[in-house]
Amino acid sequence: GNSVTQMEGPVTLSEEAFLTINCTYTATGYPSLFWYVQYPGEGLQLLLKATKADDKGSNKGFEATYRKETTSFHLEKGSVQVSDSAVYFCALTNTGFQKLVFGTGTRLLVSP
Amino acid sequence: GAVVSQHPSWVICKSGTSVKIECRSLDFQATTMFWYRQFPKQSLMLMATSNEGSKATYEQGVEKDKFLINHASLTLSTLTVTSAHPEDSSFYICSASRSASTDTQYFGPGTRLTVL
Repeated sequence: GNSVTQMEGPVTLSEEAFLTINCTYTATGYPSLFWYVQYPGEGLQLLLKATKADDKGSNKGFEATYRKETTSFHLEKGSVQVSDSAVYFCALTNTGFQKLVFGTGTRLLVSP
Repeated sequence: GAVVSQHPSWVICKSGTSVKIECRSLDFQATTMFWYRQFPKQSLMLMATSNEGSKATYEQGVEKDKFLINHASLTLSTLTVTSAHPEDSSFYICSASRSASTDTQYFGPGTRLTVL
C-alpha cells in the first residue's frame, strides 16, 4: 500500500538556521508528492508539490525534490524564520486519485 | 481565495448523543469534500470522500452508519457523529476540492470533539 514516513519532531532551530525535514514514501505507480504546513489555529495549507521524478517544488524559500531512486521528498529551507514555526506534513496521492496519504507531521520550532 | 471553514471549532458532548460538524467552502464551489480524522501525534486519516449530490464513499474500517456525511450543496458538507462514545473523541478536519480532476485540496481549521 501507499505510505509516508517523516522524521519525528519537534525540530528546534535558531532563526537563520538551515532546515531539513526528511520524508520518504512507499507507493505503487507514480505518485504526486506534497508538503503541507499547518500554522497554529489554522487549517493545512499546500506549501509545495512535485508531480514527477526529479521535479523540484518550491515556495516561500522552501524546496523539495522528488527523488524516485531514494523514494524521498525532503523539505529544505536555507534560512528559517520565527514565522516558519508550524507543523509540516508530507503527503502523496497516487496517479489519477485525489486521496491524500499523510505522514505523521513534524513540528518545527524556530527561536529568535 | 479558497477558504474553508468548519463549525464548531470545538465541541464537548455526552456519550450517546449526536454531534454535527459543518464544513463550508466560503469563496468557491466544492465539487468534492473530504473528511479526515487526526489522532494525537498521528497523521490525518481519510474517513470519506463526498461529491455534491451523491452518497459519500467511506474508507475501509469507517462505519458509515456512525459517521453520517451529507454534501447537499456545492459549499456545504456535514459530518454527524451518531451515538458518540469517548473513543470518537478526536480532531476532525475537512477539505474541499474544486473538481474531481484536481489534486489540490483546501483544508478547514478542524473541529476538536470530546465525548464525555
